[in-house]
Amino acid sequence: QKEVEQNSGPLSVPEGAIASLNCTYSDRGSQSFFWYRQYSGKSPELIMSIYSNGDKEDGRFTAQLNKASQYVSLLIRDSQPSDSATYLCAVNTHDYKLSFGAGTTVTVRA
Amino acid sequence: DTGVSQNPRHKITKRGQNVTFRCDPISEHNRLYWYRQTLGQGPEFLTYFQNEAQLEKSRLLSDRFSAERPKGSFSTLEIQRTEQGDSAMYLCASSSWRGTSGNTIYFGEGSWLTVV
Repeated sequence: QKEVEQNSGPLSVPEGAIASLNCTYSDRGSQSFFWYRQYSGKSPELIMSIYSNGDKEDGRFTAQLNKASQYVSLLIRDSQPSDSATYLCAVNTHDYKLSFGAGTTVTVRA
Repeated sequence: DTGVSQNPRHKITKRGQNVTFRCDPISEHNRLYWYRQTLGQGPEFLTYFQNEAQLEKSRLLSDRFSAERPKGSFSTLEIQRTEQGDSAMYLCASSSWRGTSGNTIYFGEGSWLTVV
C-alpha cells in the first residue's frame, strides 16, 4: 500500500465549476497535511496546509481533513483556466519528511 | 527573503559521467531535503539533513549518489557514473523545523537532469 494515494485523473472541469480532489494516507500518526500545485515543467508550490480535523478555507481553496478516515481533500471553487495544473497531496511522516501522492492533473475548460 | 535556489537548472550529460547539483536553502532553515521526480509521479524522498547531519537516506539512493551539507548551509548532490534511469528533476527543499507539527517545506525550482 502506498503511503499517500490520490484519486486518479485527469480531472476536467468547466470554468467556474468546483474541482474536487481527494487523498488518502496510510500512516495514522501523520499530523500535517499539505496541498501543492505544480505547473508543467515547474516545481511544486505550496497552496494549503491543514493540521486539524475540519475545513480550512483560503480564498477559492478549501482543504478538508478527517483523521479518523485518514482522508484529506481539496476543493477549488470558481475554477479558472489558471488553476489547470497537477495537484499534489503531501503528508508529513512521523519524522516530518513529506510523502507525496502521484498527483491529480486538473484541466479547467474555458 | 530569497527562496530555495538550485543550480544548474538544466544539465545534459553523457552516460557514465558524474554530475553535481547545488542547493542554497532559505536562510536560517535548519532542514534541507532532496527529492527526485519523474514524469507523472510525485516527488520521491531521497535524503535530508538537519543542520550538517544527514539524518536519513532513502533506499532509492544508491551508492552512486552522495549528498553533503558542510557547515549546515548549502548542500550538494552528486551522482557518479550516471545512468539513463537517473534522468529526472532533482528537487531541493528546506524548512525551519522546531520539533513540532507544522513543518512547512518549501521547494526550489528544481534541477533537470538528462542522461544521454
